[in-house]
Amino acid sequence: KNEVEQSPQNLTAQEGEFITINCSYSVGISALHWLQQHPGGGIVSLFMLSSGKKKHGRLIATINIQEKHSSLHITASHPRDSAVYICAVGFGNEKLTFGTGTRLTIIP
Amino acid sequence: GAVVSQHPSRVICKSGTSVKIECRSLDFQATTMFWYRQFPKQSLMLMATSNEGSKATYEQGVEKDKFLINHASLTLSTLTVTSAHPEDSSFYICSAWTGQSNYGYTFGSGTRLTVV
Repeated sequence: KNEVEQSPQNLTAQEGEFITINCSYSVGISALHWLQQHPGGGIVSLFMLSSGKKKHGRLIATINIQEKHSSLHITASHPRDSAVYICAVGFGNEKLTFGTGTRLTIIP
Repeated sequence: GAVVSQHPSRVICKSGTSVKIECRSLDFQATTMFWYRQFPKQSLMLMATSNEGSKATYEQGVEKDKFLINHASLTLSTLTVTSAHPEDSSFYICSAWTGQSNYGYTFGSGTRLTVV
């Protein structure tokens, strides 16, 4: 069974700061996902990674397969980025294994 | 992108009644739908995996007679909470694999169920 760990659990930062959230997993994977859950509960899939790096707007996700580690970066953070960010591993019709989530709060 | 529409977003029901939650894939075919439950400030907990045209697979500890799942078509999966009790109050959310390379899974917007 894959163990997925995230850090930090909580993160508070000032608007404009560069944010990094980390995720590590214990067993080799087909894909890793970064999800964003807003206070209302809805979940948005941000990235699916199997290698390298992906960028979308101010969000960057990287993965190191050898080290079993991924990071999610947010540049020029904004209060609207405040949410819970969740790392998960899985692919296709297999079950996702979730990290515990990182609660991010950006202060204006 | 691939979207899953989930309804209702909020529902309040009386103890003993049943509530049906629908998840509909709008622009893709979802052969498999995952149903999750989430308690406040906790992680998503997988309840069951529904497969189109066959019986759902329930996770250990989830009562299949209480949480009825139907996946009758490639675009619709439903979760019915039968004989609801206050302890069933929770946030329920569905998810499906899209097959798209950018983000893989798409999630419904969730249903907040309150049983009074």
